[in-house]
Amino acid sequence: QKEVEQDPGPLSVPEGAIVSLNCTYSNSAFQYFMWYRQYSRKGPELLMYTYSSGNKEDGRFTAQVDKSSKYISLFIRDSQPSDSATYLCAMSANSNYQLIWGAGTKLIIKP
Amino acid sequence: ETGVTQSPTHLIKTRGQQVTLRCSSQSGHNTVSWYQQALGQGPQFIFQYYREEENGRGNFPPRFSGLQFPNYSSELNVNALELDDSALYLCASSLEPIGETQYFGPGTRLLVL
Repeated sequence: QKEVEQDPGPLSVPEGAIVSLNCTYSNSAFQYFMWYRQYSRKGPELLMYTYSSGNKEDGRFTAQVDKSSKYISLFIRDSQPSDSATYLCAMSANSNYQLIWGAGTKLIIKP
Repeated sequence: ETGVTQSPTHLIKTRGQQVTLRCSSQSGHNTVSWYQQALGQGPQFIFQYYREEENGRGNFPPRFSGLQFPNYSSELNVNALELDDSALYLCASSLEPIGETQYFGPGTRLLVL
């Protein structure tokens, strides 16, 4: 079993929909949780960073961490075609960059 | 402020050969991390360099080695290439080894035949 599980998709939704992306993990020591967006032929770009449990909001993006369930989510409101990309979750027990990554979910927003 | 750059963008090698990939970190960043991303997978941490010293290593064999130079640019060297080394190699730079923001380059796509 992988330490971090993420549904690879693809997830296809119409423009304007609310998107929910999720990861589960097995290591209870993880405290730092990140969501990255990766466009085709590009490196990952950090979207959201959360320490421990709780919610964090930034514009159309909301990240949630539920440590009791070992489950994290990223919500995208008012989704746009430009949001079409692969979304990767990553996490770490320490505040360094030795991250453990999910496999990524490919998201397609249809105009 | 320039971003993270990597060279070459694409590379084809044969099994058993050696390869060197290069990364120029973002201006002012002293930490570089290297990742391997196989097709359809998330990145896997290879190692990190901080102020020219290795500062952590993932589960990769010793034939994966690296260097960081005084200007904080970095190299990833892979010896005795295997077919499974075919992947996108990403480097990321950051101001320090800890914190939430590291910036990724576009990657080098390596194909081993």
